[in-house]
Amino acid sequence: RKEVEQDPGPFNVPEGATVAFNCTYSNSASQSFFWYRQDCRKEPKLLMSVYSSGNEDGRFTAQLNRASQYISLLIRDSKLSDSATYLCVVNFNTGGFKTIFGAGTRLFVKA
Amino acid sequence: EAGVTQSPTHLIKTRGQQATLRCSPISGHTSVYWYQQALGLGLQFLLWYDEGEERNRGNFPPRFSGRQFPNYSSELNVNALELEDSALYLCASSPDWGTGGAARTNEQFFGPGTRLTVL
Repeated sequence: RKEVEQDPGPFNVPEGATVAFNCTYSNSASQSFFWYRQDCRKEPKLLMSVYSSGNEDGRFTAQLNRASQYISLLIRDSKLSDSATYLCVVNFNTGGFKTIFGAGTRLFVKA
Repeated sequence: EAGVTQSPTHLIKTRGQQATLRCSPISGHTSVYWYQQALGLGLQFLLWYDEGEERNRGNFPPRFSGRQFPNYSSELNVNALELEDSALYLCASSPDWGTGGAARTNEQFFGPGTRLTVL
């Protein structure tokens, strides 16, 4: 089982739609969590951290469920510019600090 | 504020040669991470340096090595290049991880990458 798993998609949604991605992680000692977005042939850019209480940044909402070991990202009112690959990132400190990236979920927002 | 910078942007080598990639972190950041992203694949963790020391490495052979300099910039060296080493190599930096075992959020900020092609 991969340490961090994401549905690769692609998710094809119309503008204005709400779309949600999940990411599961296997290490219960995971400490911090993030969502990054990566545009084609570009570097990943931090989208938001994920806090235990859940957090929101404009149209984006991130949530963490430690009991079930998953994090989620909800995008409301999708824009064309949201088209990208969304990467789930998990940090844990077991035998040394490690950062694990999920393989990403591809999102296409259509006009 | 200047972001993470990497050089060169592109690098073309032949099998068996050595490649050296460079990274300058954001000012004030002491941790540098290296990742490999092969075409169509996810990011694979390579190395982590903090305060000049290698803190952890991913599942890569020893011919992948690096170092961090006193100014916190870093170098990734890949010896005996193989065709499958062709990839985008990304460097990221984050603020001081700190001491005392306190958990940090460790947000990482990425450079634009070096695209290595091995012929």
